[in-house]
Amino acid sequence: KNEVEQSPQNLTAQEGEFITINCSYSVGISALHWLQQHPGGGIVSLFMLSSGKKKHGRLIATINIQEKHSSLHITASHPRDSAVYICAVRGTGNQFYFGTGTSLTVIP
Amino acid sequence: KAGVTQTPRYLIKTRGQQVTLSCSPISGHRSVSWYQQTPGQGLQFLFEYFSETQRNKGNFPGRFSGRQFSNSRSEMNVSTLELGDSALYLCASSSQGGGETQYFGPGTRLLVL
Repeated sequence: KNEVEQSPQNLTAQEGEFITINCSYSVGISALHWLQQHPGGGIVSLFMLSSGKKKHGRLIATINIQEKHSSLHITASHPRDSAVYICAVRGTGNQFYFGTGTSLTVIP
Repeated sequence: KAGVTQTPRYLIKTRGQQVTLSCSPISGHRSVSWYQQTPGQGLQFLFEYFSETQRNKGNFPGRFSGRQFSNSRSEMNVSTLELGDSALYLCASSSQGGGETQYFGPGTRLLVL
């Protein structure tokens, strides 16, 4: 059983489309992270959330603690957004649990 | 500030050997975490160090070990390598650890033959 479930696994979008990636988790958490991984392996932390909503440029992340659910939205998607997006949670026992990732391809 | 650096970037070993990977965190960061990424298992947490103390450990066998030095640099060691240890090993640093934002290094890609 995975502590963190992401959907969809794969996503193809046309440039300019609004994109949503979902993350559900089953453990108590102290924080939830959204990570971006480009081909070649480098990982960038996009957001760290413990409640509410955060926005950075075209990216928006929300979390609902009661429902144990988070979403990552990309507005006006661009081919450079093509990457794997990974949801990770820091459990209250201080361990990290990772989703399997959502592979996003944005077509020009 | 310079980012997180990892050495070596690529490594080929044979079964039964041991390997040591190094991670230098961002200056001023005291927490270093290590992760393993494989196509089959995805990202998995190995361990976290803060001020030279292992604060947390993932579900990996004792062949995987690590340490942190007084300058916050960290090493991880894998003894008696197995084919399944082939993976991308990533380290990440943060100021205090806990749930705060982590900054990832480029990773060390290990191939075990």
